[in-house]
Amino acid sequence: SQQGEEDPQALSIQEGENATMNCSYKTSINNLQWYRQNSGRGLVHLILIRSNEREKHSGRLRVTLDTSKKSSSLLITASRAADTASYFCATDLSGGSEKLVFGKGTKLTVNP
Amino acid sequence: NAGVTQTPKFQVLKTGQSMTLQCAQDMNHEYMSWYRQDPGMGLRLIHYSVGAGITDQGEVPNGYNVSRSTTEDFPLRLLSAAPSQTSVYFCASTYGGPDNYGYTFGSGTRLTVV
Repeated sequence: SQQGEEDPQALSIQEGENATMNCSYKTSINNLQWYRQNSGRGLVHLILIRSNEREKHSGRLRVTLDTSKKSSSLLITASRAADTASYFCATDLSGGSEKLVFGKGTKLTVNP
Repeated sequence: NAGVTQTPKFQVLKTGQSMTLQCAQDMNHEYMSWYRQDPGMGLRLIHYSVGAGITDQGEVPNGYNVSRSTTEDFPLRLLSAAPSQTSVYFCASTYGGPDNYGYTFGSGTRLTVV
């Protein structure tokens, strides 16, 4: 079964707005990762946040992690049409990261 | 660096045929994994490997075999293709361990079983 569950399943916003996607998971994790997938392409790693971290930034991306609620959020600020893609959270199920489990993703559409 | 290379990009098989999906990485990554992606299902882990000679099953291993004779290569074999194996297959790799910084994915193999 899926470990992570993204919310919402689909999100449509205007260019320049912020986009927030959420991920909930079921069991304890070592780290949580976010990936982007453009239509018909492979996944691209965006950011990794470890279980002892609460917030992480990378450019226009901001990720938070709340291990007590078993949830994470990905914020994309000042969105661009090029941000249109599906976004997946992924969690590891063991001490290492050899068994990364993905959610079903959020499909983000940024309208110009 | 080429990253993770998957071949072929597209394949059509008849039910019962066998084939091997190739995956190679040139980053000296220890960990490699195979996923399948189906509409509305996200990515599901098929098999994974933490190093040469070591493989293990993921969430949906039935109908697939893997081997890891070298660090670079991690082929996925379909033993007797079934229509339920129609999917997009992704191979991924990473250094692994506590300093892991995320997986690098190949561009995928789109498989249709008729």
